[in-house]
Amino acid sequence: GESVGLHLPTLSVQEGDNSIINCAYSNSASDYFIWYKQESGKGPQFIIDIRSNMDKRQGQRVTVLLNKTVKHLSLQIAATQPGDSAVYFCAVAGGTSYGKLTFGQGTILTVHP
Amino acid sequence: EAGVAQSPRYKIIEKRQSVAFWCNPISGHATLYWYQQILGQGPKLLIQFQNNGVVDDSQLPKDRFSAERLKGVDSTLKIQPAKLEDSAVYLCASSFQVSGANVLTFGAGSRLTVL
Repeated sequence: GESVGLHLPTLSVQEGDNSIINCAYSNSASDYFIWYKQESGKGPQFIIDIRSNMDKRQGQRVTVLLNKTVKHLSLQIAATQPGDSAVYFCAVAGGTSYGKLTFGQGTILTVHP
Repeated sequence: EAGVAQSPRYKIIEKRQSVAFWCNPISGHATLYWYQQILGQGPKLLIQFQNNGVVDDSQLPKDRFSAERLKGVDSTLKIQPAKLEDSAVYLCASSFQVSGANVLTFGAGSRLTVL
């Protein structure tokens, strides 16, 4: 089955810095990748997604990079703000998963003013 | 558009008691998911419905958990009898598509504490 891991469980940055959150996955058949943000007491909220036919996708202040060779993806947040403090999850889907997302454990991002 | 509604937000029960959670997905979303999120972990899929049919329930502990989506809209998740390890947040999510690139929209979750 799919397993999804993260390189660091916590990340602490200063306001204005750029943040990079990493994620590794195990199933080479995975073809859809998504990042969610979860604030305390709330459900996960969609940030950005990327399909396996791309290696980079940009949103507003966020960029997702996908390296299928080493089965790794990352989320970059530019000019990190205190409101970005949350837990960030990567999730992957693909193969015969019928839309099923497998989530990683999460990275706690803390932004200091 | 209205989001995914869940209730109750919080529930405290003793082990061996039963509990039920309710979910109302986004209007028009055919696919509904129940995830279990234990503290400090990522969500884990329990069951996936397409309309009122089950697509995937491979990780649902069927000896104690049950879920239904009778009319293809609302869904209930029941636990009977509850165990201490069932303490978690139960997240409901819905999506428009069944498969492929599929953004799930989550509700706020129902936090269960089993004493």
